[in-house]
Formats: sequence, C-alpha cells, structure tokens
Amino acid sequence: GQSLEQPSEVTAVEGAIVQINCTYQTSGFYGLSWYQQHDGGAPTFLSYNALDGLEETGRFSSFLSRSDSYGYLLLQELQMKDSASYFCAVRDWGGKLIFGQGTELSVKP
Amino acid sequence: KAGVTQTPRYLIKTRGQQVTLSCSPISGHRSVSWYQQTPGQGLQFLFEYFSETQRNKGNFPGRFSGRQFSNSRSEMNVSTLELGDSALYLCASSRAGGEDTQYFGPGTRLTVL
Repeated sequence: GQSLEQPSEVTAVEGAIVQINCTYQTSGFYGLSWYQQHDGGAPTFLSYNALDGLEETGRFSSFLSRSDSYGYLLLQELQMKDSASYFCAVRDWGGKLIFGQGTELSVKP
Repeated sequence: KAGVTQTPRYLIKTRGQQVTLSCSPISGHRSVSWYQQTPGQGLQFLFEYFSETQRNKGNFPGRFSGRQFSNSRSEMNVSTLELGDSALYLCASSRAGGEDTQYFGPGTRLTVL
C-alpha cells in the first residue's frame, strides 16, 4: 500500500526550532512536498524536494533522503502564527498526490 | 491575480440527495484537482482534470464524479449522499498538471444529515 507517516502532534516554544518528520512508502516517487494549513483554512504550499538534500526558504527548510524514504520540515525562530497543521505529500507514478495525515504544531509563548 | 475560488462555501444536504460543487482555478491554470478532507482520513485525492480530461482518479466510489469546462472551471458531483460524505472538499489548481505546487481554494464544507 501507499502511506506517509508523520507525527500527529508537536509542541514547541516561541523562538525555538522544530522538526517534523515524514517517512513514505509509495508506488513511485517524484518528490516530497510540504503544505501548511491553518485551522479552517486552505492548505498552502511550503516547499518541494525532488533531490536529496536541504532546501531553504526563509525560516523554513525541507530535507529529503530518497534512499531512506524520509524527509523533514524544519521550522526555525518559531512564531505563534506557525501554529497550524503541516502535511507532507508525495506524487506516485499514477500521478496522484498522496498526503500524510498531518502534524498539528502548537507554538506556546 | 485572484486565487482559487470555490462555491458554495457551506452546504447542508440530507442523505440520498445529490450535490454539485464548483471550482474556479487561478487564471492561466489548466489543471484542477479535488480532495476530500475529513478528521479521520485526512486529505484524500479524488480526481484531477487537465484540459477537460480526467487524468487521474482516486479510490472513491462512482457516486463521486467531476468535469472540467473549456475555461478550466471544474465541478464535482456527489450523488446519493451518505452521512460519511460530510467533509471539507478542497479544489486545487496548477499550471499544467502533475505539478507539486498546488494552489488550494478555501473549500466547501458539506454536511450530510
């Protein structure tokens, strides 16, 4: 079957660094994407890794290891507004975008 | 540039009825994908349309169908509604399809009573 595993909840303090992991098992792999969704809102694209390594976009970084079928999203200098759900997603050979169950990040003052 | 719009935003139906949801993609985007989001199942892929053709379909029963018009606007239809169809239905657009940068609309919250 196809699955993406990520922690259901993560809690961190404002100003800290948090890492959200994602392991995947899919029929085919083109790359790993990350989306952010605030409660009741639309998911918004954060980053995409097609190759191994680290991609940095401001306070957010994303890492991929294809040999380990593993990636993570790193959020630095956490702010209260970063409290949201974060989803990893993989597009399989058939072209379907498969999402993980989401990680709810709570940032505390 | 306007974002993805979905109508209606909220909908209440009863079991057995059918419903049609509408999605207008970002101008210039030719691909539209639909997703169902529920607390238990998360975000699940329904189907993807590109240039009026269905390119991919998720594992949903035939009661779920969709179409895309020549202006790239898309509709999805759910017939014979069941309680379990209560969900947030999200539409996302991209320029050419098969892209991982998807731009999501605000969703339609469907409640089936």
